[in-house]
Amino acid sequence: DAKTTQPPSMDCAEGRAANLPCNHSTISGNEYVYWYRQIHSQGPQYIIHGLKNNETNEMASLIITEDRKSSTLILPHATLRDTAVYYCIVRVAHTNAGKSTFGDGTTLTVKP
Amino acid sequence: DSGVTQTPKHLITATGQRVTLRCSPRSGDLSVYWYQQSLDQGLQFLIQYYNGEERAKGNILERFSAQQFPDLHSELNLSSLELGDSALYFCASSVGLQGYEQYFGPGTRLTVT
Repeated sequence: DAKTTQPPSMDCAEGRAANLPCNHSTISGNEYVYWYRQIHSQGPQYIIHGLKNNETNEMASLIITEDRKSSTLILPHATLRDTAVYYCIVRVAHTNAGKSTFGDGTTLTVKP
Repeated sequence: DSGVTQTPKHLITATGQRVTLRCSPRSGDLSVYWYQQSLDQGLQFLIQYYNGEERAKGNILERFSAQQFPDLHSELNLSSLELGDSALYFCASSVGLQGYEQYFGPGTRLTVT
């Protein structure tokens, strides 16, 4: 699986969009980009995943660059409850999910 | 609420002891995953079961073992416990083997004294 690089921390004002970047320059053609988040000591929560097209769901949007070497998770209107560690994971589509590597993630702090 | 349940929530035990952590996956999910999260090592994948069979192994110690039962619940057994085994242990489940979306339980906090 490709390695990912994320900034260790970011701040965002409440009500503004939070844009969390992830670099995955060694991504292969059959690898998906996944995002999870973990709110203080709770179990990680799945957010979204994508292959090459931009994706949107009720929680967030995922923007993947055309060369697929980086992506951005967008929380459109961040709230205090969005304060969490956000993990970007890259994984081959049809291999076993168990070997996903979560890495260190980005600690997002949403401030009032 | 993810639909994944784990018991117990907290466990305090002494070095050298053995404990069993239990996980019930979401209804309909066939895959169960176990993860360990300690302060200095982040979230580490331990093992995956799919429909009763072991399908992937990560950084699981030989002192640790797991199984998935016919009703799809899973147990993680930790033996000869050491202080370094103190951590949060998470169970996750997914519908299929590939686990595009994994749903995590609330975790069991194990403290070894």
